[in-house]
Amino acid sequence: QITLKESGPTVLKPTQTLTLTCSFSGFSLRSSEVGVGWFRQPPGKALEWLTLIYGDDGRRYSPSLRSRGTITKDTSRNQVVLTVTNMDPKDTATYYCVYRRPGSGWIQRYFQHWGQGALVTVSS
Amino acid sequence: DIVMTQTPLSLPVTPGEPASISCRSSQSLVSRTDGSTYLDWYVQKPGQSPQLLIYTLSYRASAVPDRFSGSGSDTDFTLKISRVEAEDAGVYYCMQRLDYPITFGQGTRLEIK
Repeated sequence: QITLKESGPTVLKPTQTLTLTCSFSGFSLRSSEVGVGWFRQPPGKALEWLTLIYGDDGRRYSPSLRSRGTITKDTSRNQVVLTVTNMDPKDTATYYCVYRRPGSGWIQRYFQHWGQGALVTVSS
Repeated sequence: DIVMTQTPLSLPVTPGEPASISCRSSQSLVSRTDGSTYLDWYVQKPGQSPQLLIYTLSYRASAVPDRFSGSGSDTDFTLKISRVEAEDAGVYYCMQRLDYPITFGQGTRLEIK
């Protein structure tokens, strides 16, 4: 059974750095075909993709992070960490980590399991 | 970036009636590599994380009832629910994963009358 859980601060002040940890179980992040992504959802708004890391350490970022974000993994601890610097009130959102399954082709490499989400509020 | 546009944004439906949500992309979602269409559908029920319904245009995810179906081509896509049930209430999102950045539609709120 695959599970993911986000943890980190619930409140930050503007300009502070966000560090969110995704702790997962039920799979290994060692294969180049497996990935873990971060998404977010501002209150009452649509979903937004932020970043993705593969088991071979390949990474993708959304331009919206504008070089403020970094994704890393700790394979031995089954964790993925999202770091976002210079947080702004517009970054207030529920942040989700999501398992991107491997597959025999891209047809089956979809985002399958979502964590419960972590609400992060940025306010002075 | 590929822009995803959903219509309608709000959809009231009577239980037992069909429902249809449209999603349009600003460019084709057909892969030049394998010819597949990388369009997925999610539903987010109140207070929950998003759940996958349909992947790669028309494949139902595990445990998704067969009253849900996905179709379309190139830049125009549709999610259909053949007979809406009360448990189907929520916000439905289309998402393209053909190209980075991955992008979503604005969401369609399905309301049960």
